[in-house]
Amino acid sequence: GDQVEQSPSALSLHEGTGSALRCNFTTTMRAVQWFRKNSRGSLINLFYLASGTKENGRLKSAFDSKERYSTLHIRDAQLEDSGTYFCAAEAHNYAQGLTFGLGTRVSVFP
Amino acid sequence: GPKVLQIPSHQIIDMGQMVTLNCDPVSNHLYFYWYKQILGQQMEFLVNFYNGKVMEKSKLFKDQFSVERPDGSYFTLKIQPTALEDSAVYFCASSLNQGDQAPLFGEGTRLSVL
Repeated sequence: GDQVEQSPSALSLHEGTGSALRCNFTTTMRAVQWFRKNSRGSLINLFYLASGTKENGRLKSAFDSKERYSTLHIRDAQLEDSGTYFCAAEAHNYAQGLTFGLGTRVSVFP
Repeated sequence: GPKVLQIPSHQIIDMGQMVTLNCDPVSNHLYFYWYKQILGQQMEFLVNFYNGKVMEKSKLFKDQFSVERPDGSYFTLKIQPTALEDSAVYFCASSLNQGDQAPLFGEGTRLSVL
């Protein structure tokens, strides 16, 4: 079946630094969604992309359907960015729902 | 902003009994979904529901599972009878349309089958 490989599984960042999360897809996907799970377990929508890049504050995401990957960049990391980030891919038959990655646990340290 | 509400956050039930998980979706949304996440594993799609019908379901959506949204009220997932392997967190999601809008997810209901 469709697979989403998310890396790294865990990431430690000092405040003010940045890094990137990546999701590779085993097949071409129609769109990608990125979430952060907060301390209450809520999935917070970060981005929904069908192509190109989107930016929101210190977060930026890119999606390349043809090359089968998506990235999420965090810059100038803050303590409140800590949490688990998930990518989820939407197949061309989008009625089949989202296929999730395993998540990246991000820890930001002072 | 709009929210998808799932109450209660945790349900404990004895194996073999019936359980109904309730979801209060965003009021004007038309598409409804259930996902299942077993501890330590990926969240997985169960079912997509629209206009009173199941549009798509995965192989995880066993015969013991059923969904409905009677009279536009709660969107429910019923499991009858429950099995130990049904223990998981179940997430409800809703969206206004498909293909160009991200669904909104609830906080999940943890189901523990004993």
